[in-house]
Amino acid sequence: AQRVTQPEKLLSVFKGAPVELKCNYSYSGSPELFWYVQYSRQRLQLLLRHISRESIKGFTADLNKGETSFHLKKPFAQEEDSAMYYCALSGADSNYQLIWGAGTKLIIKP
Amino acid sequence: DVKVTQSSRYLVKRTGEKVFLECVQDMDHENMFWYRQDPGLGLRLIYFSYDVKMKEKGDIPEGYSVSREKKERFSLILESASTNQTSMYLCASSLVPGATSGNTIYFGEGSWLTVV
Repeated sequence: AQRVTQPEKLLSVFKGAPVELKCNYSYSGSPELFWYVQYSRQRLQLLLRHISRESIKGFTADLNKGETSFHLKKPFAQEEDSAMYYCALSGADSNYQLIWGAGTKLIIKP
Repeated sequence: DVKVTQSSRYLVKRTGEKVFLECVQDMDHENMFWYRQDPGLGLRLIYFSYDVKMKEKGDIPEGYSVSREKKERFSLILESASTNQTSMYLCASSLVPGATSGNTIYFGEGSWLTVV
């Protein structure tokens, strides 16, 4: 079954500390993985996608096919990183519709 | 910039009322989507549309219908609202079907519906 699991509903870290938001997936083929972010009172927006292998706002995410994970990382958290983060996947099995994780609320403490 | 606009940000409706949620996009996108966003459940796809007058059921279509009479407008209809439909509703659009590396899905700001 296709599934995205974000084990943490809430993650709270201090400013300047490293951040890792976990994402595990279950998919039979080769999915595309995404991270979306929703800041307070703003619309949901794409943060990054695995195939781009890019760093956005200091965040990176590496697709680990062996562990079926796509964890989002940032070495030094900033207060403006506080937001809701969603991991999602798509692939041929889902007709390229996004399958979403439940989301992790990240709070950066000053 | 792509703009997806949901006309109503906050609505309060009574049980049994017919509810219309309107969404308009200004980038000539073929594809439009309605999602429901609930804490602990993430986003769940209600309906999507690949073209005018075309609709496809998503994961949770029960209790909902949609209308796409014009390319830029995609409406979500709750025929008889119930309290379990209290939620945040997100509209989205994209140039091509599905989420792929070369395609971005753009979201509206959301419509928070409370059914009492």
